[in-house]
Amino acid sequence: DTEVTQTPKHLVMGMTNKKSLKCEQHMGHRAMYWYKQKAKKPPELMFVYSYEKLSINESVPSRFSPECPNSSLLNLHLHALQPEDSALYLCASSQDHRQGETQYFGPGTRLLVL
Amino acid sequence: RKEVEQDPGPFNVPEGATVAFNCTYSNSASQSFFWYRQDCRKEPKLLMSVYSSGNEDGRFTAQLNRASQYISLLIRDSKLSDSATYLCVVTGGSYIPTFGRGTSLIVHP
Repeated sequence: DTEVTQTPKHLVMGMTNKKSLKCEQHMGHRAMYWYKQKAKKPPELMFVYSYEKLSINESVPSRFSPECPNSSLLNLHLHALQPEDSALYLCASSQDHRQGETQYFGPGTRLLVL
Repeated sequence: RKEVEQDPGPFNVPEGATVAFNCTYSNSASQSFFWYRQDCRKEPKLLMSVYSSGNEDGRFTAQLNRASQYISLLIRDSKLSDSATYLCVVTGGSYIPTFGRGTSLIVHP
């Protein structure tokens, strides 16, 4: 099973709202990733968790707060977002981040900030 | 210079054509190389990993040239369903995967 699931599929939120994106994988992978993708652009790496610890933060604004409750779950907490944060948010997982392994992507959450 | 560069295209080819994409990378310490395919409004899906010895999967062939720091993807006998954006991904010594901007392929009847 090479499936990564993400919820919700779509999310509309106001700039004062707090919401969370969820990602789950059951492949036994120990690395999980958050990416942001704008239209006609490649995915941009935001965060990497390796063995449930934050390994990489690509200078992401603090209004995005990642959380890894366990090895299968990855959350992205959103607070006080701006309209320019509207994008497709992709979660991915791989066996081990430091081995440059293949990443498997979830279907993404399409976020609109009003 | 960007770390990973691709010609954005679009490459517009007829069914049955052979088409090739290149992707150049700047970090000579790069270790892992992949081609992903992304359909409109969908997530990227792995097409193939790229090894020094090259690899082939049906109509698709990927090659790595470390000396010139590029990877290539060759698609033979193009199908309409091959229309998509092809993303190359390179992982360097810092283990941060870096995406190219993608190459758009349109296969027409």
